[in-house]
Amino acid sequence: QKEVEQNSGPLSVPEGAIASLNCTYSDRGSQSFFWYRQYSGKSPELIMFIYSNGDKEDGRFTAQLNKASQYVSLLIRDSQPSDSATYLCAVNMEYGNKLVFGAGTILRVKS
Amino acid sequence: NAGVMQNPRHLVRRRGQEARLRCSPMKGHSHVYWYRQLPEEGLKFMVYLQKENIIDESGMPKERFSAEFPKEGPSILRIQQVVRGDSAAYFCASSHKPDNGYTFGSGTRLTVV
Repeated sequence: QKEVEQNSGPLSVPEGAIASLNCTYSDRGSQSFFWYRQYSGKSPELIMFIYSNGDKEDGRFTAQLNKASQYVSLLIRDSQPSDSATYLCAVNMEYGNKLVFGAGTILRVKS
Repeated sequence: NAGVMQNPRHLVRRRGQEARLRCSPMKGHSHVYWYRQLPEEGLKFMVYLQKENIIDESGMPKERFSAEFPKEGPSILRIQQVVRGDSAAYFCASSHKPDNGYTFGSGTRLTVV
């Protein structure tokens, strides 16, 4: 089992729709969770972090965490073509002070 | 604040040469991480350093790769006797605390010919 798993996609959504990106993780003791966006040929950019169960909203982005199910998700409302990128889920595992990344989900927003 | 500075942006080396990648963390950040990304793949952890100390090198290949973060100057990732399989993007990241999100540099794209 991979430590952090994401569906590689691509996930295609029409402009204006809600994009839902999902991530599961293996370490039940993990405490902090991050979503990064990476455009092709660029470096990852932190867009959301969440530490507690529930939802956390920031503009068009909502991160959701369910520690019991070891599941974290990212919702992007009113998706725009500029949101087209690879979204990386990262988890700070309890056993080590480093972020472990999933392989990423490619999102394509069609205008 | 210039962010995390990496250089060079692009590096071409012939097989058997040495590659040196440099990283200066954000001001106020004392935790430095190196990651490698192969085309169409995710980020793979290599090493975590603080000033003058290697905290976790569990992702570093056992041979040819080394990293340091001296008291003065940038962190260095060194790859000796490069092979074609070392071609990748190498990203450095820094953080204020180890459980915070990281800020990434622009990366060094290493090509071995």
